[in-house]
Amino acid sequence: RKEVEQDPGPFNVPEGATVAFNCTYSNSASQSFFWYRQDCRKEPKLLMSVYSSGNEDGRFTAQLNRASQYISLLIRDSKLSDSATYLCVAFSNTGFQKLVFGTGTRLLVSP
Amino acid sequence: GAGVSQSPSNKVTEKGKDVELRCDPISGHTALYWYRQSLGQGLEFLIYFQGNSAPDKSGLPSDRFSAERTGGSVSTLTIQRTQQEDSAVYLCASSPGQGAQYEQYFGPGTRLTVT
Repeated sequence: RKEVEQDPGPFNVPEGATVAFNCTYSNSASQSFFWYRQDCRKEPKLLMSVYSSGNEDGRFTAQLNRASQYISLLIRDSKLSDSATYLCVAFSNTGFQKLVFGTGTRLLVSP
Repeated sequence: GAGVSQSPSNKVTEKGKDVELRCDPISGHTALYWYRQSLGQGLEFLIYFQGNSAPDKSGLPSDRFSAERTGGSVSTLTIQRTQQEDSAVYLCASSPGQGAQYEQYFGPGTRLTVT
């Protein structure tokens, strides 16, 4: 079982739609979580961190549920430019510290 | 300012040959990471350097893979006797320090194709 699991998609949505992605993690020792965005044939870039209390950045809302070990990302009012792969990431603080990436969820926003 | 750079951007090599991939991290960043991303797969952690500490090599898939970081800056990932399954995009990232509070900045990657 992968340490971080995501639905690969693709999620096909029209412009203006609201879309949500979930991600589950298996290592209960993971302490911090992030969403990265990766455009086709480009490097990943940090989209936002995920806090227990939930956090919002413009049209993007991230939430963490430690009891169920899942993380979510909500995108409101989708734009064409939101089309990308969204990577769920857990930071492991056990032993050597490192990021563990999910395989990503692909989002396609159409006109 | 300058971001993380990697070279070459593309590398095609024959099975059995050795390859070297280079990463120039952002100046002043003490942490450096190597990942690889195969088609349809997530980023797979390979190795991590932090300052002068011993590197975390736990992600290296075989003893054909090695990496070094000279002078706490530039890093080279070496793959010996390449195999077709080594074909992937190799990504380097750097961060200002160790810990979740430090964002990792990725380079554009080296696309390796083993024929």
